[in-house]
Amino acid sequence: AQSVAQPEDQVNVAEGNPLTVKCTYSVSGNPYLFWYVQYPNRGLQFLLKYITGDNLVKGSYGFEAEFNKSQTSFHLKKPSALVSDSALYFCAVLDQAGTALIFGKGTTLSVSS
Amino acid sequence: DGGITQSPKYLFRKEGQNVTLSCEQNLNHDAMYWYRQDPGQGLRLIYYSQIVNDFQKGDIAEGYSVSREKKESFPLTVTSAQKNPTAFYLCASSTRLTSSYNEQFFGPGTRLTVL
Repeated sequence: AQSVAQPEDQVNVAEGNPLTVKCTYSVSGNPYLFWYVQYPNRGLQFLLKYITGDNLVKGSYGFEAEFNKSQTSFHLKKPSALVSDSALYFCAVLDQAGTALIFGKGTTLSVSS
Repeated sequence: DGGITQSPKYLFRKEGQNVTLSCEQNLNHDAMYWYRQDPGQGLRLIYYSQIVNDFQKGDIAEGYSVSREKKESFPLTVTSAQKNPTAFYLCASSTRLTSSYNEQFFGPGTRLTVL
């Protein structure tokens, strides 16, 4: 079965420190992976995607994600966190049929000043 | 949220009522989607449509209905058969170009509350 897991409900980090939000996936064949961010009472905003190529993908707002095929992971990272990064983050994978995204349950990132 | 509008932003429903949530996009996207978001459960797919006059059930279609008469519009009706409709509803769209790999653009959402 295809699935996405975000093992942490919440991640807390101090402003200026590096942050990591974890994501693991289970899918047959090549995975097509996405990260989205959601601010309170808003829709989701696209951050980045991995299709093929370099394992380190750069996206919006200084975020990047590292694809690791052997560990079936796609962790979201940022070298220096900002208070404004505080939000809900979703990892997603394209389903095998290529028709819909399967989302994880989300991780709340809280950055303290 | 640019390019996709959802209305209303807040909606209140009495038990036994059907209500319709609007979703319109001007991105010229072929595919459109409806998700339900509940705290701690992520996004769950209700229905999706890849072309006009065609749509498929997602994981939690029971108690919901949709139509796709125009490319720009994909309204969702929450029927009285949906026993627990209180949630945040998100509409999304994507191009069917292979190169997009289904990157989806989301609307601002509608919060539905049952009174």
